[in-house]
This record gives sequence, structure tokens and C-alpha cells, in this order.
Amino acid sequence: QVQLQQSGPGLMKPSQTLSLTCAISGDSVSSNSATWNWIRQSPSRGLEWLGRTYYRSKWYSDYAVSVKSRITINPDTSQNQFSLQLNSVTPEDTAVYYCARDNQGIAVADYWGQGTLVTVSS
Amino acid sequence: SYELTQPLSVSVALGQTARITCGGNNIGSKHVHWYQQKPGQAPVLVIYRDSNRPSGIPERFSGSNSGNTATLTISRAQAGDEADYYCQLWDSSAWVFGGGTKLTVL
Repeated sequence: QVQLQQSGPGLMKPSQTLSLTCAISGDSVSSNSATWNWIRQSPSRGLEWLGRTYYRSKWYSDYAVSVKSRITINPDTSQNQFSLQLNSVTPEDTAVYYCARDNQGIAVADYWGQGTLVTVSS
Repeated sequence: SYELTQPLSVSVALGQTARITCGGNNIGSKHVHWYQQKPGQAPVLVIYRDSNRPSGIPERFSGSNSGNTATLTISRAQAGDEADYYCQLWDSSAWVFGGGTKLTVL
């Protein structure tokens, strides 16, 4: 049974860097078939895919155009987890953030983390 | 960018059939996935690649996709099916989500 456990702060100030981690059990971040994704949800933007990391003989990361200049998603093979960093946050980045697995690399999330509410406020 | 259009709300009588649509330009040429989300919970995958059910999802959930519309069908609707439902696909190197439909079981 795959489980994704998220951790990270829930309250931030504008201009800070958002950092979240997703610990994986029941699968490997180095899987040759899965991708590891970050998705957020807010009342104003709905569900929004932010990006992914995956391993296919080497590591790749893809990002949504809307956040491409501010985002980094990295794997951590020693801890079997992956992370999200979003720079220069504004109140518009207030959302529930989810990590999710795409088991077959077909752009579908079959397992989700529990979600982390991140509030950006001065 | 590609847009997916869902009705804001759908109502269905207990035990009847609910149909939730997801519109997009030539969506029938793409693979569509559906998620169910209950308040305070993460989304749950209920249909993938148009019409496939993950393990543990009741047969009452089915999907179809043709032309400009994908449809999630919930047969014999139960009170526990009341939730928000989202369609999603891959387009231009990104995941795209619909705005969501609130299903009310009367």
C-alpha cells in the first residue's frame, strides 16, 4: 500500500520560500515508471498542477508555466521522498498543497498525500 | 491553454443515475481521468483513461469520452456519492483540471 506523508510549515510571509516534503512508503522515488507530482487547490484557482519529478535512467523535472520561474521539485533518494520549493510567495499562493503519485507516467494521480494548507499573509 | 468545462452542480435522486460532463475541444482524442473529493479530504481517483476503474471503486462508476464531451456516470446513486467531481487530462506538457462539479444526492 502506497502512502504519501507531507510535512512543512503552514504559515508564511510574502517573499519567503515555501518548502514542503513528501515522504514515500510502499514505492520508490527512483521508480522507472512513476512520476511524483505537486498539485495545489484554492477557491480562486481550483486544482492546479505545479510540476513533477521522475527517473528514467536520469532525473527529470517538469513545471507548470504559471510557476516555472519560481519552482523547484527535487528527489531525495536517501530519504525516499521528494520536495517542493516555491520562491517569492504572495497571498495568491495560499492554497492546500498536495503531493501525488502517477504510477504509470500517464498523468493521473492514483495516490495523494493528506494535503497541507499553506497560508501566505503578512 | 486547454480548458475543461464542467457544470457547477448536478443533482440526482437517491438510487437514480447521475451524469457529470466535462467539455473540451476534441476531448475525445485525449485520455480523461476523474476524481471524487469529499470535504476536507484529498481527491480520490475513480476513473482513469476515460473508462477504467481503479481497484476498490464500485462498478456503479463508469466513464465515456467522445467528440467534445467526456462523461462520468454514477449509477444507483448513494448518499455517500455526494462530493465534488473533477475531470483531468494531459495537454501541452501539463496536467489540466476542470473546475469541478458538486454532486448533490436528494
